Amino acid sequence: KQEVTQIPAALSVPEGENLVLNCSFTDSAIYNLQWFRQDPGKGLTSLLLIQSSQREQTSGRLNASLDKSSGRSTLYIAASQPGDSATYLCATVGGSEKLVFGKGTKLTVNP
Amino acid sequence: DTGVSQDPRHKITKRGQNVTFRCDPISEHNRLYWYRQTLGQGPEFLTYFQNEAQLEKSRLLSDRFSAERPKGSFSTLEIQRTEQGDSAMYLCASSFQTVTTGELFFGEGSRLTVL
Repeated sequence: KQEVTQIPAALSVPEGENLVLNCSFTDSAIYNLQWFRQDPGKGLTSLLLIQSSQREQTSGRLNASLDKSSGRSTLYIAASQPGDSATYLCATVGGSEKLVFGKGTKLTVNP
Repeated sequence: DTGVSQDPRHKITKRGQNVTFRCDPISEHNRLYWYRQTLGQGPEFLTYFQNEAQLEKSRLLSDRFSAERPKGSFSTLEIQRTEQGDSAMYLCASSFQTVTTGELFFGEGSRLTVL
């Protein structure tokens, strides 16, 4: 059974700082890994999707990497802004249509 | 394109009552998913439809839960005889491709509080 862990559970940084969020998973037999953003009381917004054959994906100030063999993914946020404050969730896709999510990292960017 | 729409956004009910949530996916998406999220946790998969066929169900979907997608468009999730443990955010998502290759688009969720 796939287990997805995100560390840290919460992170507070000053505006402008570069930061890394971590995601680890126990079963490396995945099709892809997805990163989502969730604002309080809201649904999830897809940020980046990395296929199992890829090493990284970039979108604007976001860069996600994937190391299947070690069961790890990171989400790098450059030049953080207060508007980046949210919970960031990673999820793996294995052999079915089901995403398995971590519990998320709650990010606070202080002005 | 208005995205995935869920209704109602909030529902407060007494234990033992039945509740129904509706999800309207993005129009060209034939795949529809329901997830449940409790406070401080990541979403957990409940069920998946391709067109009108329900192809996958989680063990979390007890006998009190039923989901339908009668015409392959909108979907409903009904919870009978609600319990306090059913209090959660119920999230609907849709996609054009299988999630093994494509993105999932989520709605804003329906928050259920069972008193």
